[in-house]
Amino acid sequence: DTAVSQTPKYLVTQMGNDKSIKCEQNLGHDTMYWYKQDSKKFLKIMFSYNNKELIINETVPNRFSPKSPDKAHLNLHINSLELGDSAVYFCASSQGGSNTEAFFGQGTRLTVV
Amino acid sequence: AQSVTQLGSHVSVSEGALVLLRCNYSSSVPPYLFWYVQYPNQGLQLLLKYTSAATLVKGINGFEAEFKKSETSFHLTKPSAHMSDAAEYFCAVRGGSTSYGKLTFGQGTILTVHP
Repeated sequence: DTAVSQTPKYLVTQMGNDKSIKCEQNLGHDTMYWYKQDSKKFLKIMFSYNNKELIINETVPNRFSPKSPDKAHLNLHINSLELGDSAVYFCASSQGGSNTEAFFGQGTRLTVV
Repeated sequence: AQSVTQLGSHVSVSEGALVLLRCNYSSSVPPYLFWYVQYPNQGLQLLLKYTSAATLVKGINGFEAEFKKSETSFHLTKPSAHMSDAAEYFCAVRGGSTSYGKLTFGQGTILTVHP
């Protein structure tokens, strides 16, 4: 009964490949996010969806394409992976409103070799 | 625009000692402030949040934080550190409705607790 679940937890792949990370939340929230945590542990938002609509796109390369088939799911597809894409990617969700906290998944550690 | 600065990337304390992790924010609108904790190889867990009600906020695991508007600070404290508190702590700010719920994080502070 994990609130926000991501798969896979670990992903090792070669440069140039295409990969996807899946995220699902069972909290009934209407907003979902992707955050990237780099090697220095710095967390930065990438995308946000509200009721399946993209509302934040933080100057992320076009190789990254989020997709939200319904408000409980937000997937991240990455084309032509580069070494610099190696990071931990976190999915999160919240129930709208600025005073509500975000709930985070366990993260997906992506390593590009 | 919002920003967060956490003073001190590493803090080391002895078990039983006071924990103080510093966070200063910048926000053009009344902020909502959060502290999250991250244990190794895990996601972020909410410790506490400030949402303009009480300025002294109590969270889980004995942590609390005080919002000081005049100092633009939201420092995290715990009276007595426990070995299990060793983790990385992140302060985050969320702005007004136009931020669409986006969290802006500080750089994180690694807390080490010595026996």
